[in-house]
Amino acid sequence: RKEVEQDPGPFNVPEGATVAFNCTYSNSASQSFFWYRQDCRKEPKLLMSVYSSGNEDGRFTAQLNRASQYISLLIRDSKLSDSATYLCVVNSGAGSYQLTFGKGTKLSVIP
Amino acid sequence: DTAVSQTPKYLVTQMGNDKSIKCEQNLGHDTMYWYKQDSKKFLKIMFSYNNKELIINETVPNRFSPKSPDKAHLNLHINSLELGDSAVYFCASSQLGQETQYFGPGTRLLVL
Repeated sequence: RKEVEQDPGPFNVPEGATVAFNCTYSNSASQSFFWYRQDCRKEPKLLMSVYSSGNEDGRFTAQLNRASQYISLLIRDSKLSDSATYLCVVNSGAGSYQLTFGKGTKLSVIP
Repeated sequence: DTAVSQTPKYLVTQMGNDKSIKCEQNLGHDTMYWYKQDSKKFLKIMFSYNNKELIINETVPNRFSPKSPDKAHLNLHINSLELGDSAVYFCASSQLGQETQYFGPGTRLLVL
């Protein structure tokens, strides 16, 4: 089983749509969770951290289910500028600063 | 000002050559990393390094060696380059105790 699994997509959605990405992780010792965004031919950039209580940042909502080892990202009212690859990221365990990246889910928002 | 910078941006070289990629961060971070992103876009950690500790991913061939002249720099030296080394190499940094990592723009290496 891969450490961090994501649906690779691509997800092609019209502007204004709501889209959800899912991710599962295998390391039950993981304590920190993130979504990074990577634009084509660019470096990954932190989009948001994911907290157990769930968190929201504007149009973006992240959820964590520790029991199921499952993380989600919801994007509401999609914009053209949201087109990118979204990487699910987990750390290697308590106190570890080693991050494990999923392969990413590609999103294309279509006019 | 660029927070994490890498040089060169592109590197095309022949098999068997030795090459280095440089990384510098001006964020005052304690920890730096090298990642490899292959053609399938899978981003995998190669090394993490702070002043006290070098952690090596066991799958990285010993032809790859990180060198840190000071806290702000972590260079990657690659000996006897192979076709399979072709990839994008990203440098990153973070503050010790914090997990948010800041990435450089990447170095696109092509081995012919």
